[in-house]
Amino acid sequence: DAGVTQSPTHLIKTRGQHVTLRCSPISGHKSVSWYQQVLGQGPQFIFQYYEKEERGRGNFPDRFSARQFPNYSSELNVNALLLGDSALYLCASSGRTGGVDGYTFGSGTRLTVV
Amino acid sequence: AQRVTQPEKLLSVFKGAPVELKCNYSYSGSPELFWYVQYSRQRLQLLLRHISRESIKGFTADLNKGETSFHLKKPFAQEEDSAMYYCASRDTGGFKTIFGAGTRLFVKA
Repeated sequence: DAGVTQSPTHLIKTRGQHVTLRCSPISGHKSVSWYQQVLGQGPQFIFQYYEKEERGRGNFPDRFSARQFPNYSSELNVNALLLGDSALYLCASSGRTGGVDGYTFGSGTRLTVV
Repeated sequence: AQRVTQPEKLLSVFKGAPVELKCNYSYSGSPELFWYVQYSRQRLQLLLRHISRESIKGFTADLNKGETSFHLKKPFAQEEDSAMYYCASRDTGGFKTIFGAGTRLFVKA
């Protein structure tokens, strides 16, 4: 098992563009959570999906959206990118909802908005 | 609102000295608490959960509901313990885990 995989690892976008980030959870894990980590801060909760349904949303604008597919992989979409969206985006996989058993994290996608 | 506070951004200790990384949470119910660790150039990974009452790599953490704390302790720090440590809290029945800002532990030889 490759663990939690995220793609791409890095990307650079221009203000106003949109971006799609992808995550594949550990085999057998049905829950995927997305976090944003800005330099010097802890991960900030964006979304949690369990069994393809959104189960939780953090304090992020509607420009942020996500979905989970039948194979439990997930996409995070951000529209109308702002400079402040530059961050490391982490995907976390867990067997049960909300990370109750603890999360397994991917290595993240580093997004730079210029 | 649920909040996790780690008051120290940086903690520096000598090898063999005891170490305590502080964590305070604010939640009126009974949260589930975790410590995560990120070693240099590695992924964020789970270190321990309060519900397991386990000791991992010599680290322990005790939940103190009166002080709403979940401090991480190790009696004798090792150089390989140098890393970024995050305290996290999940509200029972909820769908999200909240992380503190992290404490960087530096163990000097």
